[in-house]
Amino acid sequence: GQNIDQPTEMTATEGAIVQINCTYQTSGFNGLFWYQQHAGEAPTFLSYNVLDGLEEKGRFSSFLSRSKGYRYLLLKELQMKDSASYLCAVMDSNYQLIWGAGTKLIIKP
Amino acid sequence: DADVTQTPRNRITKTGKRIMLECSQTKGHDRMYWYRQDPGLGLRLIYYSFDVKDINKGEISDGYSVSRQAQAKFSLSLESAIPNQTALYFCATSDARDTGELFFGEGSRLTVL
Repeated sequence: GQNIDQPTEMTATEGAIVQINCTYQTSGFNGLFWYQQHAGEAPTFLSYNVLDGLEEKGRFSSFLSRSKGYRYLLLKELQMKDSASYLCAVMDSNYQLIWGAGTKLIIKP
Repeated sequence: DADVTQTPRNRITKTGKRIMLECSQTKGHDRMYWYRQDPGLGLRLIYYSFDVKDINKGEISDGYSVSRQAQAKFSLSLESAIPNQTALYFCATSDARDTGELFFGEGSRLTVL
């Protein structure tokens, strides 16, 4: 079956950097997506990688290297408002999104 | 106002009741989706529609049905609700020209007793 794995929970300190990894087993690959979901709210789109490389959006970056098996979301200069769940999703060969269960990120002062 | 609106936001019902969750969008997107989210699990696709005349089953369609009344409206029905359908339900839209950026509604929390 298709599967997305990511850490269940991570803790980091305000101002620090955190890397959230995502591994997947899917039938085909048409892109890797990251979403942010605050507690009780809807997921919101953060970034998308289909080719190897780095996508940067302010303090958030997503990196993909399929050949080397690196897929992660990097959050810099962490702020308390970054406390949320981060969802990794992969688009398979049928252009369906397969979702991970999410990584709950806890930011401490 | 939200671009993707779901009603009701919260609903408590009893086993065997028929429930409808409604979704409307003002983004002008062709594609609409219904997902459910359960603790510890990823979002799971129930049904999706690429236009008014196109309805497709997702990963977990059993026990659910949908209706695409217009480009802007996509409703999800539980014909006879059961307790394991207790979950947070999300409607989402995407632009057919994009590859996978979804815009989610605020969610409908359904409890089946």
